[in-house]
Parts: sequence; C-alpha cells; structure tokens
Amino acid sequence: AQTVTQSQPEMSVQEAETVTLSCTYDTSESDYYLFWYKQPPSRQMILVIRQEAYKQQNATENRFSVNFQKAAKSFSLKISDSQLGDAAMYFCALSGGYQKVTFGIGTKLQVIP
Amino acid sequence: GAVVSQHPSRVICKSGTSVKIECRSLDFQATTMFWYRQFPKQSLMLMATSNEGSKATYEQGVEKDKFLINHASLTLSTLTVTSAHPEDSSFYICSARLPSYNEQFFGPGTRLTVL
Repeated sequence: AQTVTQSQPEMSVQEAETVTLSCTYDTSESDYYLFWYKQPPSRQMILVIRQEAYKQQNATENRFSVNFQKAAKSFSLKISDSQLGDAAMYFCALSGGYQKVTFGIGTKLQVIP
Repeated sequence: GAVVSQHPSRVICKSGTSVKIECRSLDFQATTMFWYRQFPKQSLMLMATSNEGSKATYEQGVEKDKFLINHASLTLSTLTVTSAHPEDSSFYICSARLPSYNEQFFGPGTRLTVL
C-alpha cells in the first residue's frame, strides 16, 4: 500500500513571499512518481509539478520547485513570489507500480494581498 | 497539454433514477481512465480504474453494481450511477492516463445532486 501525508491543513503567505508546503509519503515501490496538483475553486485539478523518483535533481517549473528527499520520503513544494492566483487547495500525490495515484488530504493555501 | 472533458458538469436527479457521466480524452488515446469521488473539503478517493475493452477494477468498498463503468473506446469512459440516492451526491472526477509519461490529466468534474 502507498500513503501520502500532508500535515498542514491550511497555510497562508503574503503576496510576493515564499511558502513551502510539506508532504511525506510511503511506498514499497522502487520506481514511482510524485506530483503536486492544484485545485482552485473551479475544482479543476491542475498539475503543478512532477518528480520521477529515480531522478536526484529536484524538479522546477517557473516559480514552483520541490525539495525531494528520497531517503526521508519527503516531497515539499516551494512557491516563490506568491501570487493571488496561487490561492487554492494543493494535493501531494504518489503513483507507484500499478499506476494508481494516491492523494494526500490537501493543504489550503491562502495568499494575502 | 492533454485535454479531458466531462459531461455533464452538473446534474440534479430524483432519488431512484440513474445518471450517466461521460469522460472523454480529446486529443489523445487513453487505455486507462480513472474515476474519483470527492466530498466537500476532502481529498480525491479513487473509485475504479477503467481499462479499454475490459472490465473495470473497483476499489474496496465501491459497489460495482451501483457504479457501472464502461470504457468502450480509447477516448471514452462512462460512469453510470444506478438507482441514485441522496448519499451519492458528490463531485465526481475522471482522469485519463497518458501512457508515455505516467501522468494523469483530469476532467473538470461533475457535481451530482440527488434529491
């Protein structure tokens, strides 16, 4: 079985500042993928960033980057220069050998103008 | 990126009726699609995995006779909620997997309200 844990139900950040969302996971698979998804009020799931477990280099996508610590099974998301449009639910997710995706319970991010 | 559509976006039905939700991959072929259910302020819970040309694989606790899934083509999967009851009211989301990237693309979701 695979599990994903997000321990921060809610976070807030001032506009233009940086915030880090935490995620830990567990899996018995040696080959897996990790994702961060954003769900705005429209409820459309949007992929923010993905990380292949075999890659040591942390993934980055513009203002979004991850800190992937494989030994610690940690996968945090850093959002730099936060914008009002970043306000949303953020879900950490894991896809293991059977391709099923397991989601964490989510972190609600509020961006303060 | 790949686009997945869902129809309808919102449906209201009477208790005891059946409702069909369609999930389409618009610009790619998806051998595997997934159906999720999301309650308010909660995460996505996988209901079933839909494989083209074969029977769907349901997660533990999901009634396969109540939630009928058909994946008749490489671009279309349907979820039929049979004999719907108010407790079936929820947000249903489908996704389609892009095989070469082990990545899922999500539909916009369907809000089902059973009166």
